[in-house]
Amino acid sequence: GDSVTQMEGPVTLSEEAFLTINCTYTATGYPSLFWYVQYPGEGLQLLLKATKADDKGSNKGFEATYRKETTSFHLEKGSVQVSDSAVYFCALTDTNAGKSTFGDGTTLTVKP
Amino acid sequence: ETGVTQSPTHLIKTRGQQVTLRCSSQSGHNTVSWYQQALGQGPQFIFQYYREEENGRGNFPPRFSGLQFPNYSSELNVNALELDDSALYLCASSLVAGVHEQYFGPGTRLTVT
Repeated sequence: GDSVTQMEGPVTLSEEAFLTINCTYTATGYPSLFWYVQYPGEGLQLLLKATKADDKGSNKGFEATYRKETTSFHLEKGSVQVSDSAVYFCALTDTNAGKSTFGDGTTLTVKP
Repeated sequence: ETGVTQSPTHLIKTRGQQVTLRCSSQSGHNTVSWYQQALGQGPQFIFQYYREEENGRGNFPPRFSGLQFPNYSSELNVNALELDDSALYLCASSLVAGVHEQYFGPGTRLTVT
């Protein structure tokens, strides 16, 4: 079945540092890929998405590129802020099966 | 625009009992998905409903069942509760089934004792 593997956390960075959170997946077919974020005390919200190979999703300074050849969708940000502290989830959707699969989340803490 | 709402917020049940959780979709959304999120883990897909029909199902036993109503609100029913059913249950709605992003509700925290 489908699966998503994220780098284990927690990740602790200083403000303005470069962020990478690795995400790899296994899937049959051609899934759509997503990053969701959960800020402290809030619900899950979509951060960015990519629906086909080589697409780049971007939002709020975060980027991720759908790499079919390496089955990866790594999340990056050039300069993190304290307000980026949250749990980040990588996910895929099998559009044919109507099913979504999430990774276990990576907790990011940014210190001033 | 009204977001996704869920009720109740918290619930405590005894093993063997039955529970019904409710979800109201975001306005205009005809697809709803339910997830179970255990502490420290990612959401696990239970099932999805599209226009009142089940559109996909994860690896959950038949005692997890659902309904979607003509106004696209939804219920998750769990029979014969087990201790391992204790989790946060999330509802997410989307504009259509498929690639569109999902909008999540705040969740219902279920504790089974």
